[in-house]
Amino acid sequence: EIVMTQSPATLSVSSGERATLSCRASQSVSSNLAWYQQKPGQAPRLLIYGASTRATGIPARFSGSGSGTEFTLTISSLQSEDFAVYYCQQYDNWPPLTFGGGTTVDIK
Amino acid sequence: QLQLQESGSGLVKPSQTLSLTCAVSGGSISSGDYSWTWIRQPPGKGLEWIGYISHSGNTYYSPSLESRLTMSVDRSKNQFSLRLMSVTAADTAVYYCGRTSLAYPFMDVWGQGTTVTVSS
Repeated sequence: EIVMTQSPATLSVSSGERATLSCRASQSVSSNLAWYQQKPGQAPRLLIYGASTRATGIPARFSGSGSGTEFTLTISSLQSEDFAVYYCQQYDNWPPLTFGGGTTVDIK
Repeated sequence: QLQLQESGSGLVKPSQTLSLTCAVSGGSISSGDYSWTWIRQPPGKGLEWIGYISHSGNTYYSPSLESRLTMSVDRSKNQFSLRLMSVTAADTAVYYCGRTSLAYPFMDVWGQGTTVTVSS
């Protein structure tokens, strides 16, 4: 089973600032990585797939990069609606599909 | 626009069977381009993949749940289902259904989720 590790667990950022979230895989997942955003009481929402392709309707301030074992989600200028929990998920070697433990982006 | 809606037993007694259904609207469950997934989230915790079923009924289950899990598709009702036997308190979670592409199983459409509590 591929273990996904996200860091930091919590990121405190001011509106308008840049946020950088990390996701590491225990073995290479190529570019088969997705990012999701989850707000309290809501289902997750797909942000990024293929490590760097934005899903339909996702603003350009969200960008993904990386391949192999190291991945980054960058939010270039945080808006109020971006404060949420973010999860990465690998789909290279499965079953099982595996998620990281999440990074909470909160208001500084 | 495709929508998914979970329904089923909200309160289940320990050792009994949890049954959930995901109704698909705005599209056909028989589409050859997509497959269907269940994910759960225990209170205050992260996401856990449960299993996957293709439009043709091929299944892949989480190894940790495989011995207790059955997933099925009902094309006549445009829905898919999950049955988890012998539940314990550890199965208490919000359960989500989702759509995945056939080739790359990330979830691009999610249901709103349904809360299942295991308690006597």
